[in-house]
Amino acid sequence: AQSVTQPDIHITVSEGASLELRCNYSYGATPYLFWYVQSPGQGLQLLLKYFSGDTLVQGIKGFEAEFKRSQSSFNLRKPSVHWSDAAEYFCAVGVGGATNKLIFGTGTLLAVQP
Amino acid sequence: EAGVAQSPRYKIIEKRQSVAFWCNPISGHATLYWYQQILGQGPKLLIQFQNNGVVDDSQLPKDRFSAERLKGVDSTLKIQPAKLEDSAVYLCASSHPQVGYGYTFGSGTRLTVV
Repeated sequence: AQSVTQPDIHITVSEGASLELRCNYSYGATPYLFWYVQSPGQGLQLLLKYFSGDTLVQGIKGFEAEFKRSQSSFNLRKPSVHWSDAAEYFCAVGVGGATNKLIFGTGTLLAVQP
Repeated sequence: EAGVAQSPRYKIIEKRQSVAFWCNPISGHATLYWYQQILGQGPKLLIQFQNNGVVDDSQLPKDRFSAERLKGVDSTLKIQPAKLEDSAVYLCASSHPQVGYGYTFGSGTRLTVV
């Protein structure tokens, strides 16, 4: 069955420090992978997505993610975190077909220290 | 362009009462989704519409949940009767069928069942 695991429930980083959020997926075929961000009281905003091609994907707000098939991972990175990046981050896999259904991980809550 | 509109933003009801949520998708988006996001979990797809037809409702608890999308535009999601475990944020999203996984999420309705 398809699934997404985000091992870190909560991460705290200092402003200006680098960030890596982990994501592992389980899916039989070539996955469509996504990272979304959710600020309090807001909907989900797409940061970046991977469909095929270059395994290093650039997104909005200075985020990037790297697809590693051998590790079934799609980790999100940012070289220098800003206080406004504090939010909850969700990794998701698209199960394809006609439905374009997304299966989400449980999320990682990011806190940024001044 | 205008985003996905949802109302109400918040709702508190007693268990066994009924409740309805409304969603207005982005104009021209034929596909509409309802996701349930329980605290501490990632969003889970409840139902997907393509125009006014149901594509996937495999995760919808049909004994108490119902949804409709009249005229292929607005949608309502109803719970009757509500249980404590229905407390969650209900997210509506829409997408253009020609754009793979081109979701736009609304801000959600936070339901508390007491």
